[in-house]
Amino acid sequence: AQKITQTQPGMFVQEKEAVTLDCTYDTSDPSYGLFWYKQPSSGEMIFLIYQGSYDQQNATEGRYSLNFQKARKSANLVISASQLGDSAMYFCAMREGWGGTASKLTFGTGTRLQVTL
Amino acid sequence: DAMVIQNPRYQVTQFGKPVTLSCSQTLNHNVMYWYQQKSSQAPKLLFHYYDKDFNNEADTPDNFQSRRPNTSFCFLDIRSPGLGDAAMYLCATSRDKREHEQYFGPGTRLTVT
Repeated sequence: AQKITQTQPGMFVQEKEAVTLDCTYDTSDPSYGLFWYKQPSSGEMIFLIYQGSYDQQNATEGRYSLNFQKARKSANLVISASQLGDSAMYFCAMREGWGGTASKLTFGTGTRLQVTL
Repeated sequence: DAMVIQNPRYQVTQFGKPVTLSCSQTLNHNVMYWYQQKSSQAPKLLFHYYDKDFNNEADTPDNFQSRRPNTSFCFLDIRSPGLGDAAMYLCATSRDKREHEQYFGPGTRLTVT
């Protein structure tokens, strides 16, 4: 079974608008972490935001916020005030367990975001 | 600036000819990872080192090996590349086992002819 599901292969958003990228996850582990990474065409994976399973509040980092709904097992990324430079592939990822092994990430299949004028 | 460096950025090798990809880091992180990312797919973890301890993923083919001679460097060796091994190979580091952020290098795009 897919552990991380990103149902939107591609999204378009107009510059300065907000956009939500969907991510649902599946785990039976009570301790897990959820991540969003951005991958521009250059290939580098850029860390955006992290949400721990025990965190009470939704994570925010500048224009990025994570809409964490634990009961629904969703961790959607919200990008506010989109910029042309936000055009990239976005990956949701999950780490299960805590400390027993290194921080092994399982990635979703990604969403390609295109910001238009 | 502290960073994760991968060389070369683009590598072309022949079918069956051994190839080595390199990764170095100036972050002094304990953990180093190698991911394989095929076109339009998610990155897939191949293995990782926690200090000198090597941890192989169960489904990583034997064709893939890794070496970590010191904290700063980690190598990915592909003993007999097949056409299906053409991919982007991403190196990443994290400070420790409990560190939630992984720092990725720019990747090496491998072409097999």
